[in-house]
Amino acid sequence: NAGVTQTPKFQVLKTGQSMTLQCAQDMNHNSMYWYRQDPGMGLRLIYYSASEGTTDKGEVPNGYNVSRLNKREFSLRLESAAPSQTSVYFCASSEFGSNQPQHFGDGTRLSIL
Amino acid sequence: QKEVEQDPGPLSVPEGAIVSLNCTYSNSAFQYFMWYRQYSRKGPELLMYTYSSGNKEDGRFTAQVDKSSKYISLFIRDSQPSDSATYLCAPSPYAGGTSYGKLTFGQGTILTVHP
Repeated sequence: NAGVTQTPKFQVLKTGQSMTLQCAQDMNHNSMYWYRQDPGMGLRLIYYSASEGTTDKGEVPNGYNVSRLNKREFSLRLESAAPSQTSVYFCASSEFGSNQPQHFGDGTRLSIL
Repeated sequence: QKEVEQDPGPLSVPEGAIVSLNCTYSNSAFQYFMWYRQYSRKGPELLMYTYSSGNKEDGRFTAQVDKSSKYISLFIRDSQPSDSATYLCAPSPYAGGTSYGKLTFGQGTILTVHP
């Protein structure tokens, strides 16, 4: 039972490079999320997709784009990476509807030099 | 002021101790309260999920919510070295039947239980 799978697990980029983080879930969940986790800041929502075909901005969307490819997959793209985007990125999924618990992947550790 | 405040610790206790982890919040709309546990280099995993005020117990874990004082607690009895992790509180407002309920995470408390 894989749950939420994120690829890659680690990545180092140079400033200005682009990259797509991949996320897939096998729990048949409708809703998916992207967070970043920084020391002292907790988890902050970047974008979410309440259901297939919809995406919405979260708390810190600047510098990111997302694509809900299908029900299983939700990708996060950095078009022109900046050192401030160095972080650990987590993807999560949940059942559709109010206040459903979210299930997280194990993260992508991204360093931008 | 952050919507959710959580003492980052670190907190170090001996095996068998009772651990108390706490959060305060400012948003009166919060109705659902979750606790997540995060091991090093892993994603958060849901530990406890409560609605409104009161207590909920699950094995060695008890979640307590006091909405009148906007205070959330997680108690761990008979703590074990395997409980060493970061604990994050995550309250959420009621979102309606077909809406997404945004989680607001505390910054997490680092707990170490030593043998």
